[in-house]
Amino acid sequence: AQSVAQPEDQVNVAEGNPLTVKCTYSVSGNPYLFWYVQYPNRGLQFLLKYITGDNLVKGSYGFEAEFNKSQTSFHLKKPSALVSDSALYFCAVRSIPSGSARQLTFGSGTQLTVLP
Amino acid sequence: DSGVTQTPKHLITATGQRVTLRCSPRSGDLSVYWYQQSLDQGLQFLIQYYNGEERAKGNILERFSAQQFPDLHSELNLSSLELGDSALYFCASSVESGQPNEKLFFGSGTQLSVL
Repeated sequence: AQSVAQPEDQVNVAEGNPLTVKCTYSVSGNPYLFWYVQYPNRGLQFLLKYITGDNLVKGSYGFEAEFNKSQTSFHLKKPSALVSDSALYFCAVRSIPSGSARQLTFGSGTQLTVLP
Repeated sequence: DSGVTQTPKHLITATGQRVTLRCSPRSGDLSVYWYQQSLDQGLQFLIQYYNGEERAKGNILERFSAQQFPDLHSELNLSSLELGDSALYFCASSVESGQPNEKLFFGSGTQLSVL
């Protein structure tokens, strides 16, 4: 079985400050990790993904995420937050050991609020 | 715009009723996924169809069913509705080439309110 945990329901940060949204995962095979963002009244939008290779992944809108295998984490980061970054962020994992299904498992979501 | 179209955007109905949610995937995408988003359960995977065939099943109730038609659009049927079925229902699509790094494209969702 695969699972994702986002330990913070809410993260508040001042505009211009760095932000981190935390995610840890549990899988039985190699993890394929994703971050999605959901703006009000909209569907989820893809931000970035980790497959293999460089542990620091760069994505859309200046976001990046750091894969840490020993800590089974995939935290989302941005050096300087914008008010427009305020949204609901979801971490997701997909693992494909032999014979398993391919659907993504999502975390519970973290509401990011960037204060002006 | 993701290219995934869901209708209707809002649906208000009564307990015991039956409703149908519709999804048109992005052009060229063969796979359709249905998700339910609620405050207490988060984002839950319901079911996946690939080129007309059911491929994977998640936490889908027996009162719910889905299908994917030859033109690749999909419908999610919810019957004997209960208050707890009130949620935002998302459809997503992907090419489903079999690669684990594929990303999903989500529609804007159907907000179902059961009164």
